[in-house]
Amino acid sequence: GAGVSQSPSNKVTEKGKDVELRCDPISGHTALYWYRQSLGQGLEFLIYFQGNSAPDKSGLPSDRFSAERTGGSVSTLTIQRTQQEDSAVYLCASSLDGTNEKLFFGSGTQLSVL
Amino acid sequence: QKEVEQDPGPLSVPEGAIVSLNCTYSNSAFQYFMWYRQYSRKGPELLMYTYSSGNKEDGRFTAQVDKSSKYISLFIRDSQPSDSATYLCAPGYSSASKIIFGSGTRLSIRP
Repeated sequence: GAGVSQSPSNKVTEKGKDVELRCDPISGHTALYWYRQSLGQGLEFLIYFQGNSAPDKSGLPSDRFSAERTGGSVSTLTIQRTQQEDSAVYLCASSLDGTNEKLFFGSGTQLSVL
Repeated sequence: QKEVEQDPGPLSVPEGAIVSLNCTYSNSAFQYFMWYRQYSRKGPELLMYTYSSGNKEDGRFTAQVDKSSKYISLFIRDSQPSDSATYLCAPGYSSASKIIFGSGTRLSIRP
């Protein structure tokens, strides 16, 4: 596609439920990033995938959070047993390769945990 | 100490004013520096990208990097209401790695 695509654009869930957020990066981009942005706050790094290398998971806030990237393309961020503090916009970005760190962002998924 | 520090604002200036946005960073290993602009309810978009100390100009925007003091700035000349957005700085390493963003400065240009 022309840009980074994220789905769903909005997700409302109940506390304790699991959610899956999807990111479709720009075709040919080997690097993929997940960030979280709480209301009025900056971007909090979550996880980074680069090609076939082991992902950098250093930003994941707890073991309830996990992400995978299948076939070097689409990525899914999973949050298990959601809590109200997980409510935020989850942003995905991709970049061409490891030496070109110009990120292209999707419009994000607004997650609301009731 | 955070890797990247940025004044969150908000910053409100009249149309036509010169705006100065700033970040400091702690890691001297950062080699290149980006500024992103984020409009409300949108993902950030790359605004400026510079790899060295000194100034880089693009239209009304100038990015300035001082590696000796670990200080980066974005100047906006002849500011317009359409410049109202949150501006995020993002220093990066030369090798493939995660990108850490500043907290963002919310800017409002008053007509």
